[in-house]
Amino acid sequence: GQSLEQPSEVTAVEGAIVQINCTYQTSGFYGLSWYQQHDGGAPTFLSYNALDGLEETGRFSSFLSRSDSYGYLLLQELQMKDSASYFCAVRDRTGGGNKLTFGTGTQLKVEL
Amino acid sequence: DAGITQSPRHKVTETGTPVTLRCHQTENHRYMYWYRQDPGHGLRLIHYSYGVKDTDKGEVSDGYSVSRSKTEDFLLTLESATSSQTSVYFCAISRDSGTDTQYFGPGTRLTVL
Repeated sequence: GQSLEQPSEVTAVEGAIVQINCTYQTSGFYGLSWYQQHDGGAPTFLSYNALDGLEETGRFSSFLSRSDSYGYLLLQELQMKDSASYFCAVRDRTGGGNKLTFGTGTQLKVEL
Repeated sequence: DAGITQSPRHKVTETGTPVTLRCHQTENHRYMYWYRQDPGHGLRLIHYSYGVKDTDKGEVSDGYSVSRSKTEDFLLTLESATSSQTSVYFCAISRDSGTDTQYFGPGTRLTVL
């Protein structure tokens, strides 16, 4: 089966850079996604990495190393509105690659 | 925002009663998913659909059934609700599995007393 590990909580100050790590174990890996969820809200898609390397989207970047079964989400120039939970999720050949398995989430607290 | 609605948004019911949650989309996406979210467990897949009348189980499917008779609607049924099914339920859609972008509905908070 699949398993993902990410820290339960991270705290950083406004304007700083924070990295949220995710390690995974899976069979037939296709790709790693990141989702953001504010308290009381629905998860929203941030990024997807299928190949090794860094993908940048504005203040957010996501990195993948397939050989290390590891990825991270990098948030730069932190803002208070970035306080949320962040989930990594893997897509693999389970179910024909049609579904995601989510980690338990990292709660990011941004402080002044 | 993707056009996804869930109904009801909140429901309180009693143990042993049947409950049906509805997910409705206006995006004509092929894939639809039901997740439950509980503290400490993240999002766990209950069932998903890859087309009309085509469904498959997720990791926590026991006690749940689904139906998809139209592209736009995906129903989740708890035949006999239990307190362990108290949770927040999210529906999600995606155009295809390859894009890996899932769009989530607003969620339904279900309490089983």
